[in-house]
Amino acid sequence: GQSLEQPSEVTAVEGAIVQINCTYQTSGFYGLSWYQQHDGGAPTFLSYNALDGLEETGRFSSFLSRSDSYGYLLLQELQMKDSASYFCAWGEGYQKVTFGTGTKLQVIP
Amino acid sequence: DAGVTQSPTHLIKTRGQHVTLRCSPISGHKSVSWYQQVLGQGPQFIFQYYEKEERGRGNFPDRFSARQFPNYSSELNVNALLLGDSALYLCASSTGTFAYEQYFGPGTRLTVT
Repeated sequence: GQSLEQPSEVTAVEGAIVQINCTYQTSGFYGLSWYQQHDGGAPTFLSYNALDGLEETGRFSSFLSRSDSYGYLLLQELQMKDSASYFCAWGEGYQKVTFGTGTKLQVIP
Repeated sequence: DAGVTQSPTHLIKTRGQHVTLRCSPISGHKSVSWYQQVLGQGPQFIFQYYEKEERGRGNFPDRFSARQFPNYSSELNVNALLLGDSALYLCASSTGTFAYEQYFGPGTRLTVT
């Protein structure tokens, strides 16, 4: 079956950098997406990696290594508002999207 | 521009009843996907529709069904509700069949008693 594993919780200090990892076991891999979800809110799209390497979008960057079946989301200059759950996700056959187990990020002063 | 909208916001049903949830995608988006999210877990894929056709189905029983209308809005129907169906139901829209970038609605919180 397909699975995407993430650490369940991460704590980081305001202003610091944090990396959230995602390891996957899938077939027919079509790229890795990242979503942010605040408590009580809906997931919000952050980034997508179709190819190996780093994609940068403002304070957020995402990395993919297909050979290692591994990706990560990097958040720089952490702000209190970044406290949320973060999910990696991949698309299977272009239609079915599987979300990872999710990482709850707590940013502390 | 309006984002993805869903109705109702909250719903309380009794076991055995059926429910219909509604979703309107972002203007110009032709793909709608439905997800179930239980507290503390990631969204679980239920269906994807594109151009009014079902293009993907997750591991959910036949009690779950959906359809997409000519204006690309969508309905999710759940029959014979079980307590375990209590969850947040999310609708997401995207421009095409490749749903790597999806935009989610606020969700419908369903409680089954």
